[in-house]
Amino acid sequence: SQTIHQWPATLVQPVGSPLSLECTVEGTSNPNLYWYRQAAGRGLQLLFYSVGIGQISSEVPQNLSASRPQDRQFILSSKKLLLSDSGFYLCAWDRRTGPNEKLFFGSGTQLSVL
Amino acid sequence: SQQGEEDPQALSIQEGENATMNCSYKTSINNLQWYRQNSGRGLVHLILIRSNEREKHSGRLRVTLDTSKKSSSLLITASRAADTASYFCATDSATSYDKVIFGPGTSLSVIP
Repeated sequence: SQTIHQWPATLVQPVGSPLSLECTVEGTSNPNLYWYRQAAGRGLQLLFYSVGIGQISSEVPQNLSASRPQDRQFILSSKKLLLSDSGFYLCAWDRRTGPNEKLFFGSGTQLSVL
Repeated sequence: SQQGEEDPQALSIQEGENATMNCSYKTSINNLQWYRQNSGRGLVHLILIRSNEREKHSGRLRVTLDTSKKSSSLLITASRAADTASYFCATDSATSYDKVIFGPGTSLSVIP
């Protein structure tokens, strides 16, 4: 069966520090991968999506970047965090065959930038 | 933007009542999905309805889709306290198979 792992669950970082959040998928090949951010009590904002290794599409210009060094690994990074980077970050995947069918989400990372 | 918009933003009902949430979107879609999120957790897929379908059922869930109005509704019948969560609609694009956009969600509180 397919599983998605996302870590850490919570993270408190000072302003100006770097960030690296990792997401891995097991049990499937060639998935589409996504990073979403959710502000408190709000909807999900699509940050990045990837249809293959090294292929990253950015939806919102910002202080963050994403990389996909392996087929089932998706990394969200920042060189210097801002206060506005605080939020709940969710990684997700779906099958890369035709129309999007169903997204599978990780358990999320609550990031607080202080 | 193809983003869905749910209404109401918040809904509070008594246990046993039905809950109806609506979603509107802007562009042509292949399918529309509804997800549920418990506080502080990831989202869980509830149901998918394709653009050529008008109604779909899954247990106590009923979803309708009106592509002429670019709108969908999610009905939860005989609600339970455990249904308390946020509910989101999500749409893809009929011209692009590579991303899913979510609406702002409806926060449902079911009072025992």
